[in-house]
Amino acid sequence: SQQGEEDPQALSIQEGENATMNCSYKTSINNLQWYRQNSGRGLVHLILIRSNEREKHSGRLRVTLDTSKKSSSLLITASRAADTASYFCVSSDSNYQLIWGAGTKLIIKP
Amino acid sequence: DAGVIQSPRHEVTEMGQEVTLRCKPISGHDYLFWYRQTMMRGLELLIYFNNNVPIDDSGMPEDRFSAKMPNASFSTLKIQPSEPRDSAVYFCASSRPHRGSTEAFFGQGTRLTVV
Repeated sequence: SQQGEEDPQALSIQEGENATMNCSYKTSINNLQWYRQNSGRGLVHLILIRSNEREKHSGRLRVTLDTSKKSSSLLITASRAADTASYFCVSSDSNYQLIWGAGTKLIIKP
Repeated sequence: DAGVIQSPRHEVTEMGQEVTLRCKPISGHDYLFWYRQTMMRGLELLIYFNNNVPIDDSGMPEDRFSAKMPNASFSTLKIQPSEPRDSAVYFCASSRPHRGSTEAFFGQGTRLTVV
């Protein structure tokens, strides 16, 4: 299946720092979502941003969307050890098909 | 609602055996997706259904894989015969597109090991 691209592939930061992950996609989208996956567990939905939105906040999460560049970013502020996980962006096209990025592995060092 | 329920959570089987993975979507959701996740290939969409009808099965790797959705509350993914390279985590997800939102809810996955 078609995949979006995420960068970086892996990110290691100190607890308390901010973490930024980026995602690019190729087709026109209805919306874009970010998911988190803890090691060996299922996927947890974090936030959804619609194609007509530019920025969205949820707690310590901030998501931006630039449809002209076909890119999105996820910012986690004041990171915690519990934020250690893999983060995936998922874009949804007009047929509601979900297109996944390869994911960013985030490690928060205590 | 209990969310998307998958069973079993773990499955270990011998090469050549038939494996059946099960999924119960969230009630009222009319889309159901089967995904496979491996370290090498990441998350791959295998097949998805809309109103119990398979819409796109282009991600199904081989004829050994088949999926059914006999009713709105149950779906199966079957591998027959299984091979070691089928070892992966298989996720089921469901969604109900509404006003442009396509938030998909995932089950906890089935970790399949074929030895």
